[in-house]
Amino acid sequence: KNQVEQSPQSLIILEGKNCTLQCNYTVSPFSNLRWYKQDTGRGPVSLTIMTFSENTKSNGRYTATLDADTKQSSLHITASQLSDSASYICVVSDRGSTLGRLYFGRGTQLTVWP
Amino acid sequence: EADIYQTPRYLVIGTGKKITLECSQTMGHDKMYWYQQDPGMELHLIHYSYGVNSTEKGDLSSESTVSRIRTEHFPLTLESARPSHTSQYLCASSPGRAGGLETQYFGPGTRLLVL
Repeated sequence: KNQVEQSPQSLIILEGKNCTLQCNYTVSPFSNLRWYKQDTGRGPVSLTIMTFSENTKSNGRYTATLDADTKQSSLHITASQLSDSASYICVVSDRGSTLGRLYFGRGTQLTVWP
Repeated sequence: EADIYQTPRYLVIGTGKKITLECSQTMGHDKMYWYQQDPGMELHLIHYSYGVNSTEKGDLSSESTVSRIRTEHFPLTLESARPSHTSQYLCASSPGRAGGLETQYFGPGTRLLVL
């Protein structure tokens, strides 16, 4: 069973609008949570990384939040641009192994229309 | 943009053929990984390496094999391709520092279609 659930599965917004993507996880123990952006036909690129002690982290127009108590995270995109069209993947890492195993969500496919 | 490369980017091949997917990184990273990703699905780890001559199987069972003879090179081989191997294969690397906070840098992926 996938321990990282993302919603919505897909989202269409108009250029310039804001949007928020959700990530719920059941991974335990918890080490950190990352948001990746994956353009079509490309590999994922890291946007943010947060540990359990961090509530929010920004990277330009991207702001991620983390509530480690409820095991929820969100990625807020401000003033969307056409180049924001991509899949956004939530990745949670446990601390139970040397490898720091990563659990991947299926991603939210965001499409920004002009 | 990360300096990690994969070739070929696209491959269409017949059943039973042997194929090797190439992955190289110029960042001197110790750790390297292979993931398999089907459309609309999550990434699954199939192989990883902590360094030269170190290879381990990942979470998802795979008929592929890997080798790590040089730090910068981590090729994946399928001895006999089958249609069930059709997928996207992503290679990644990370510095290998302790703490688990290191970021994995991904290559552009190889899209494999086995007929």
